Amino acid sequence: DGGITQSPKYLFRKEGQNVTLSCEQNLNHDAMYWYRQDPGQGLRLIYYSQIVNDFQKGDIAEGYSVSREKKESFPLTVTSAQKNPTAFYLCASSPRDRGRLEKQFFGPGTRLTVL
Amino acid sequence: GQSLEQPSEVTAVEGAIVQINCTYQTSGFYGLSWYQQHDGGAPTFLSYNALDGLEETGRFSSFLSRSDSYGYLLLQELQMKDSASYFCAVRDPTGAGSYQLTFGKGTKLSVIP
Repeated sequence: DGGITQSPKYLFRKEGQNVTLSCEQNLNHDAMYWYRQDPGQGLRLIYYSQIVNDFQKGDIAEGYSVSREKKESFPLTVTSAQKNPTAFYLCASSPRDRGRLEKQFFGPGTRLTVL
Repeated sequence: GQSLEQPSEVTAVEGAIVQINCTYQTSGFYGLSWYQQHDGGAPTFLSYNALDGLEETGRFSSFLSRSDSYGYLLLQELQMKDSASYFCAVRDPTGAGSYQLTFGKGTKLSVIP
């Protein structure tokens, strides 16, 4: 079955540590996205990538970094520079063309807690 | 930039009809999308309206009025499993963020017996 996987489901880290969240898709989608969700805040875009080896900052990119070396993979690193990293992180993918780009497929999410 | 407004909470009775509104302000506009998210789960795509009018998919319908910058999601024959948060989203085709979807803050729907 095609889909998006994120690991781990729950992640705990100590303050000051970097941590990398995994996102893999086998839908053959060109575009991939990372969102952060806080209670009552909806989904806010951190980074997105339209094609391999290219990515763009979203609205809240500070303290995060990404890479897109393979079409299937779009890992997100939460660095120690992120002031308030505790949140629910969602990865998504979609085709690139208009009308289909609006239909994004989401992974199950990673809940990150900073201790 | 873009902004979207939708009610934060709605409560409705099982078997009834409920409408969730969304108004938006964008400098450019391609269309309006709707997503459903159950507590602790991943958002799932429900519908996309690029043109004015009503789109129907089973018990769910979505409406768009581009002239009024307004849309709504209509849920009929409500079931308990429809209790979830519903998000509207838009894409502004202008500028560097043209591939970016902007989401509203979500409407939490509670279906009661």
